Amino acid sequence: GQQLNQSPQSMFIQEGEDVSMNCTSSSIFNTWLWYKQDPGEGPVLLIALYKAGELTSNGRLTAQFGITRKDSFLNISASIPSDVGIYFCAVPLLRGGGSNYKLTFGKGTLLTVNP
Amino acid sequence: DSGVTQTPKHLITATGQRVTLRCSPRSGDLSVYWYQQSLDQGLQFLIQYYNGEERAKGNILERFSAQQFPDLHSELNLSSLELGDSALYFCASSVGGRVDTQYFGPGTRLTVL
Repeated sequence: GQQLNQSPQSMFIQEGEDVSMNCTSSSIFNTWLWYKQDPGEGPVLLIALYKAGELTSNGRLTAQFGITRKDSFLNISASIPSDVGIYFCAVPLLRGGGSNYKLTFGKGTLLTVNP
Repeated sequence: DSGVTQTPKHLITATGQRVTLRCSPRSGDLSVYWYQQSLDQGLQFLIQYYNGEERAKGNILERFSAQQFPDLHSELNLSSLELGDSALYFCASSVGGRVDTQYFGPGTRLTVL
């Protein structure tokens, strides 16, 4: 199946630091999604990107859709303890007719923030 | 709170048994998706239903089946359970069939002993 390479696998940072994580693939996608999963909860959509080169912010979070359409980046500025969780990238795969039909997820980046 | 509900929250059972997981989508959402999350496989799409009809299939084992009822709630049936089926099972829902706007439920943690 389709493989998304998400890195780093885990990060341990101090409160107030900025964080960067990314997802790469050998395939081109028309949409990149970033989710966060809090402990004991389901994933929550943070940011959706629909255009190559697009840069979108959601509060302290900023995500970019890579120009090659094969990668995406998520940055968190001035981290706080509630940023702790697992961050996933995801892309929709296409049916033969060109419509999106299912999501495939990266393995996730586990973020720990030390107060 | 995403508006998607799943029951039960935890389920402990033995190998060879059968269990049913239940999901109620957000009000107005016609699509329901099921996912399995395990440490080794990550978050894997299993199956999607749209307004009662199967819409898409992922890596769902033959021992697993799902259905969506007229009131739009969905059930995931897991049979002949094996130790490796222990995982978190998530349901998600979306308006229409848009896979990029899914809202996830809190999950059911299944432990097979």
